[in-house]
Amino acid sequence: RKEVEQDPGPFNVPEGATVAFNCTYSNSASQSFFWYRQDCRKEPKLLMSVYSSGNEDGRFTAQLNRASQYISLLIRDSKLSDSATYLCVVQSSASKIIFGSGTRLSIRP
Amino acid sequence: GAGVSQSPRYKVAKRGQDVALRCDPISGHVSLFWYQQALGQGPEFLTYFQNEAQLDKSGLPSDRFFAERPEGSVSTLKIQRTQQEDSAVYLCASSLGAGNGYTFGSGTRLTVV
Repeated sequence: RKEVEQDPGPFNVPEGATVAFNCTYSNSASQSFFWYRQDCRKEPKLLMSVYSSGNEDGRFTAQLNRASQYISLLIRDSKLSDSATYLCVVQSSASKIIFGSGTRLSIRP
Repeated sequence: GAGVSQSPRYKVAKRGQDVALRCDPISGHVSLFWYQQALGQGPEFLTYFQNEAQLDKSGLPSDRFFAERPEGSVSTLKIQRTQQEDSAVYLCASSLGAGNGYTFGSGTRLTVV
């Protein structure tokens, strides 16, 4: 079983829709969590950190559930420009940073 | 510099050739990571430096892979006797430290023919 698992998608949703995806992790000692966005043939870019209390940045909301060992990302009022691959990242030590395989999101007009 | 710089951007190597990939992290960033990303997959950890010390190299797939960061800034990933399965994008990321976000370079796309 992979340490960090994501549904690969693709999620294909209409513009303006709300979409959510989850990521599960196996190491209960994990300390820090992030969502990264990666566009085709580009490097990953930090979208947001994920905190235990949950956090929101505009249309994006990230939540962490330590008991069930998953993190989630919710995108409201989706835009065409949100089309990308979203990578879940889990850190359990200074060096141990594990990426999920990514969830592909496609927003259609 | 303003961001993480990697060179070359693209590299085509003949099987058996040695290659060297360079990463210039953000000035002052203590942590430096190398990742390998195959098509359609997430980045896979290769190695981690804290300043000049290579604290974790557990992700290096074989002894053909070697990384160094002698002065705690620029890092080089060297692959000896390249093989076709080495074809991937090699990403470098740097960070101020644990718990902070990581800034990635644009990567080096290596194709072994």
